[in-house]
Amino acid sequence: SQTIHQWPATLVQPVGSPLSLECTVEGTSNPNLYWYRQAAGRGLQLLFYSVGIGQISSEVPQNLSASRPQDRQFILSSKKLLLSDSGFYLCAWSLRDRLTEAFFGQGTRLTVV
Amino acid sequence: GQQLNQSPQSMFIQEGEDVSMNCTSSSIFNTWLWYKQDPGEGPVLLIALYKAGELTSNGRLTAQFGITRKDSFLNISASIPSDVGIYFCAGRIGANSKLTFGKGITLSVRP
Repeated sequence: SQTIHQWPATLVQPVGSPLSLECTVEGTSNPNLYWYRQAAGRGLQLLFYSVGIGQISSEVPQNLSASRPQDRQFILSSKKLLLSDSGFYLCAWSLRDRLTEAFFGQGTRLTVV
Repeated sequence: GQQLNQSPQSMFIQEGEDVSMNCTSSSIFNTWLWYKQDPGEGPVLLIALYKAGELTSNGRLTAQFGITRKDSFLNISASIPSDVGIYFCAGRIGANSKLTFGKGITLSVRP
C-alpha cells in the first residue's frame, strides 16, 4: 500500500533562517506531488505541484521554493524565513494520469519567531 | 481562475441531526472530492466522485456529483460528536491538473 511521510511534525525557526521540509511517498511510482499551506486552520492554498522529476509549477509568488530531486521526494525550502511563512504545511500525492484523489501527509506546523 | 465556493464558514448542529454541505463553482470539474480534517492533522478523504450525476455513500455520508459538473453536495446523517472538524470539497479538471480546494466548513456538533 502507498504511504506518505512528511517531517518534521513541528518546527520553530527564527526569522531569516533557512527552511527545508521533506516529503516522501512509498508504494507508488511517478506520483503527482503537491505542497499546500494552511493558515489559521482554514483554507488550503496550493503552493507548488509537480508531475515529474525536476518539473515544478508554482502557484503563488512567495518566499518559498520547491524541488523534486527524486521521483518520490518533494522538498519545500526557503533561504530566509519571514514571519508570514508561519502555518501548517501539507504534502500530498496523487496517481499520475488519473483523475483520482490526493492523499495527504500529517503536516508540519511551522512557527517563525 | 478555478474556485470552489463553500459556505457558510461554520455550521452548528445538534447531535443526531442531519446536515448538508454544498460546493459550487463557475468552472467544470471532472472529479469531485470531499475531505475531513481534524485539528493538527492532514485532510482525510471521505468520498470521491468521478461521474456527473454519481451518488455515493460511505456509512452515514452521502455525496453527489452535480449533473452540470459545477457542483457537489455532502450529506451527513444522524450526526455524532466525532463528526466535528473541517469539511473541504475539492475538484480536479484533468488527470494531471492541480487539485483545487474550497475554503472549508467548520462543523460543530452539540451533544
